[in-house]
Amino acid sequence: GESVGLHLPTLSVQEGDNSIINCAYSNSASDYFIWYKQESGKGPQFIIDIRSNMDKRQGQRVTVLLNKTVKHLSLQIAATQPGDSAVYFCAENRSGYSTLTFGKGTMLLVSP
Amino acid sequence: NAGVTQTPKFRILKIGQSMTLQCTQDMNHNYMYWYRQDPGMGLKLIYYSVGAGITDKGEVPNGYNVSRSTTEDFPLRLELAAPSQTSVYFCASSYPGGSGHNEQFFGPGTRLTVL
Repeated sequence: GESVGLHLPTLSVQEGDNSIINCAYSNSASDYFIWYKQESGKGPQFIIDIRSNMDKRQGQRVTVLLNKTVKHLSLQIAATQPGDSAVYFCAENRSGYSTLTFGKGTMLLVSP
Repeated sequence: NAGVTQTPKFRILKIGQSMTLQCTQDMNHNYMYWYRQDPGMGLKLIYYSVGAGITDKGEVPNGYNVSRSTTEDFPLRLELAAPSQTSVYFCASSYPGGSGHNEQFFGPGTRLTVL
């Protein structure tokens, strides 16, 4: 079946580095993508989203890139801070569908 | 707004016991969801509802029941608790926009252990 998945289960970076978290999706009908951050012991929190008619969207210190040709999504975090340490999930949705499909998650560990 | 609230925060059940996990949202969202998250894993959809009186099964509905009598509340019922239901349970809600897209807002979770 079609699914959303992540390439790397754990990513370790130094404070101040830029982080890139990747996500592959296989459902070509997906037209909306979300990145969530989940800190230990908490529920997922929305970070940024992107629609399929866009290639790039920027937020505060975060950028999401969408490559529809290879069905790839990435989250870039600039100047990573210890507070960015968390598990990051990508999720996809299709217009008219009520549910999101979540990827497995990538744990980001930021060392001071 | 309080957003999505869940009670209890923690619970330990014995095998065969039953309980209801409560979820309430005050954002007037018509869509609500229940997920479970096992250690080190992603979110699996248990049940969801697109409005009061309407519920649908997700990926892993066995052993659970839901009801949606009001827009605000979406309780999850475990009738005969089993060790396999040890997990963290998250409730979420959303209000899809005009394009039909669907950012979900999550509660803080209920950590359930079945012994």
